[in-house]
Amino acid sequence: QKEVEQDPGPLSVPEGAIVSLNCTYSNSAFQYFMWYRQYSRKGPELLMYTYSSGNKEDGRFTAQVDKSSKYISLFIRDSQPSDSATYLCAMRTYNFNKFYFGSGTKLNVKP
Amino acid sequence: DGGITQSPKYLFRKEGQNVTLSCEQNLNHDAMYWYRQDPGQGLRLIYYSQIVNDFQKGDIAEGYSVSREKKESFPLTVTSAQKNPTAFYLCAAGGQGTFLVNTEAFFGQGTRLTVV
Repeated sequence: QKEVEQDPGPLSVPEGAIVSLNCTYSNSAFQYFMWYRQYSRKGPELLMYTYSSGNKEDGRFTAQVDKSSKYISLFIRDSQPSDSATYLCAMRTYNFNKFYFGSGTKLNVKP
Repeated sequence: DGGITQSPKYLFRKEGQNVTLSCEQNLNHDAMYWYRQDPGQGLRLIYYSQIVNDFQKGDIAEGYSVSREKKESFPLTVTSAQKNPTAFYLCAAGGQGTFLVNTEAFFGQGTRLTVV
């Protein structure tokens, strides 16, 4: 079993839709959770970074962490064609410098 | 301009050659990482270094080597022992560093290596 599971998609939505991207994990020691956006042939760029449980909002993006269910989500409101990319979740424990990544979900927002 | 700089952007290697990918950071992070990404796949960890002069193997270290002589630099050598080196290579920095300050991982723009 992988440490982090993420549906690869592709996920296709119309412009303006609310997008929900999810990851599940198995290691209850994970405390830092990240979402990255990766455009084709580019390096991943950080979107959201949260510590422990709860919600965090930044513009059109909301990250949720439910540690009891070992489940994290990224919501994108009013999705735009420019949001079309691959979204990677990542996580790590408090005192060990190794990041665990999901395999990425490919999102396509149609105009 | 702060960040992670990888060079070259594109690299072509002949069979049996060793090649070195450069990664430089000016973010002052202690920890640095090398990942490999194949089409349609996630990131696989090759090597990571938590501090200067120290590094550990990741999940797919065979056929690769690294050094960490300076905090700013973490070069990756793809040796001739790596059977299938064609891939997109990503360097990152971040994690828990000095004084237990925690950060996320920041990535460079990648090097695309092709065997010809």
